[in-house]
Amino acid sequence: DGGITQSPKYLFRKEGQNVTLSCEQNLNHDAMYWYRQDPGQGLRLIYYSQIVNDFQKGDIAEGYSVSREKKESFPLTVTSAQKNPTAFYLCASSTLTGGREGTQYFGPGTRLLVL
Amino acid sequence: AQKVTQAQTEISVVEKEDVTLDCVYETRDTTYYLFWYKQPPSGELVFLIRRNSFDEQNEISGRYSWNFQKSTSSFNFTITASQVVDSAVYFCALSYNYGQNFVFGPGTRLSVLP
Repeated sequence: DGGITQSPKYLFRKEGQNVTLSCEQNLNHDAMYWYRQDPGQGLRLIYYSQIVNDFQKGDIAEGYSVSREKKESFPLTVTSAQKNPTAFYLCASSTLTGGREGTQYFGPGTRLLVL
Repeated sequence: AQKVTQAQTEISVVEKEDVTLDCVYETRDTTYYLFWYKQPPSGELVFLIRRNSFDEQNEISGRYSWNFQKSTSSFNFTITASQVVDSAVYFCALSYNYGQNFVFGPGTRLSVLP
């Protein structure tokens, strides 16, 4: 089955620790995205990537880093510089051509909690 | 500026009532795409529909229907005969720049009471 997987489902971070959230897609999509959602709030864009080895900052990139070494994978690292990381993190992907451009498909999300 | 507004923060209805979720968008692009997503309590966003700016035909899918009106920059979503399983947060979204940019509305929380 084609889709987007995110792991882990729940992640606990200690103060001062960097943690990495995994996102993998087998849809052959060009673009991938990371969003943050706080309780009762909408989605805010952290980073996105439209091609391998290239990515752009979204609206709230501070305290986060990403890499895009493979088309299928777009891991997000929450660094110790992110002072309030507790949130629900959603990964998405989309194609940029072929008549379905712009449609983002989402993974199941990772809930990050600070201990 | 590209923007999506969902003025209804929360809506509560009783099962079997019809309910309409409003979406108003702003964009300078002539080619753009509009979307609705459903976010149930599990958290994953589920894609419901995509509409391009050149197709103003209304669409019906079962109990769901969508009304796209360019004249008022609106893309409203109606659920007919609502069910408890329709309870979720619904997001309207806009994609522009030939699909390369994306903006979400703030969402509308729909509660369908038995």
